[in-house]
Amino acid sequence: EDQVTQSPEALRLQEGESSSLNCSYTVSGLRGLFWYRQDPGKGPEFLFTLYSAGEEKEKERLKATLTKKESFLHITAPKPEDSATYLCATPPPRGTSYGKLTFGQGTILTVHP
Amino acid sequence: DAGVTQSPTHLIKTRGQQVTLRCSPISGHKSVSWYQQVLGQGPQFIFQYYEKEERGRGNFPDRFSARQFPNYSSELNVNALLLGDSALYLCASSFDQNTQLFFGSGTQLSVL
Repeated sequence: EDQVTQSPEALRLQEGESSSLNCSYTVSGLRGLFWYRQDPGKGPEFLFTLYSAGEEKEKERLKATLTKKESFLHITAPKPEDSATYLCATPPPRGTSYGKLTFGQGTILTVHP
Repeated sequence: DAGVTQSPTHLIKTRGQQVTLRCSPISGHKSVSWYQQVLGQGPQFIFQYYEKEERGRGNFPDRFSARQFPNYSSELNVNALLLGDSALYLCASSFDQNTQLFFGSGTQLSVL
């Protein structure tokens, strides 16, 4: 069974203090790794999809990277508006729908001004 | 363009009652998935419907059921509510079975 584990559970940063969030996964035949941002009381908002080891994607202060066993979400010079829960997820094996994502438990990021 | 819309936004029920949650996908999207998110955890897959047929079911009891209508909107039904059913219920739509999911804001269900 696919497993996705995120660390740390919570991360407090000062504005401008760069850091990384980790997502480790155990899946049979990786078909991609998704990163989402979730604000309180809202649904997850798509950030990135990574498909193969070595791939990197960037969006503003966020950069996602992928290895064979884990993914990192690097946050450079964060601002208070980056405070949110960050979720990673994997789709099921080939031949099964993307609709059945397996999510990690999330990392709650708080950025203090 | 409207995103995924869910109703109601909040709901309070008592144990043993039944509840129906509704979801309207993004226009043109034919796939709807339902997820349950308990506080402090990631979303957990419940159902997927594509072209009005069930295409996947997660590890949830038979008290949970769903359907998709000809206009691709969907309903999630939960019977005989338990305290542990209290959660944020998320609906996500996608164009087909293997494209990016877009999530609604969810229905917050509280069972007392």
